[in-house]
Amino acid sequence: EVQLVQSGAEVKKPGESLKISCKGSGYSFTNYWIGWVRQMPGKGLEWMGIFYPGGSDSRYSPSFQGQVTISADKSISTAYLQWSSLKASDTAMYYCGRRNYDTRDAFDIWGQGTMVTVSS
Amino acid sequence: DIQMTQSPSSLSASIGDRVTITCRASQSISTYLNWYQQKPGKAPKLLIYAASSLQSGVPSRFSGSGSGTDFTLTISSLQPEDFATYYCQQSYSTWTFGQGTKVEIK
Repeated sequence: EVQLVQSGAEVKKPGESLKISCKGSGYSFTNYWIGWVRQMPGKGLEWMGIFYPGGSDSRYSPSFQGQVTISADKSISTAYLQWSSLKASDTAMYYCGRRNYDTRDAFDIWGQGTMVTVSS
Repeated sequence: DIQMTQSPSSLSASIGDRVTITCRASQSISTYLNWYQQKPGKAPKLLIYAASSLQSGVPSRFSGSGSGTDFTLTISSLQPEDFATYYCQQSYSTWTFGQGTKVEIK
């Protein structure tokens, strides 16, 4: 089964660092870009950025450039989203998704989401 | 950046109704338009890609149309499991989502 499995919920304080993960299985991880999407409580979907595990290329939305870092470790088929200094406004659900050229670059497979809560 | 505008933001409909959701792009995106369904507490699910192609496993009551800047998602006969929020997304130049359309029970 093709799937993306994300790490569990996190509760952090402002200023702390965090790295959440998204593990792919059932397909060739290095052949597909992995994107990250934010959903703040009660709000819509926002594309944050994307990473290509096969070549280490990355692209970011201007809204998130410099705020987060996206990476991957192809040896363990895992993509990451990290923050160096969290803010309360980073409280949200974060989803990873697989970009598929065969579906006109839509995200055809999604992780279950990771809830990040930042509170003092 | 390409902006995506959906309408309406929400709608109320009954089982069996035909439902239409519209998405407009701020510039031409050819047919690089995708539709997702999201239920509360769940990840988005791809329904339609390339404006009109049905993703594998998605019921045929869902259809999409359009090209350029104007697109439509249609549910031909609304079923109980279709009450959810629907998002359009352009994949022509990076990615942008519309603000979502919540489909509620009348």
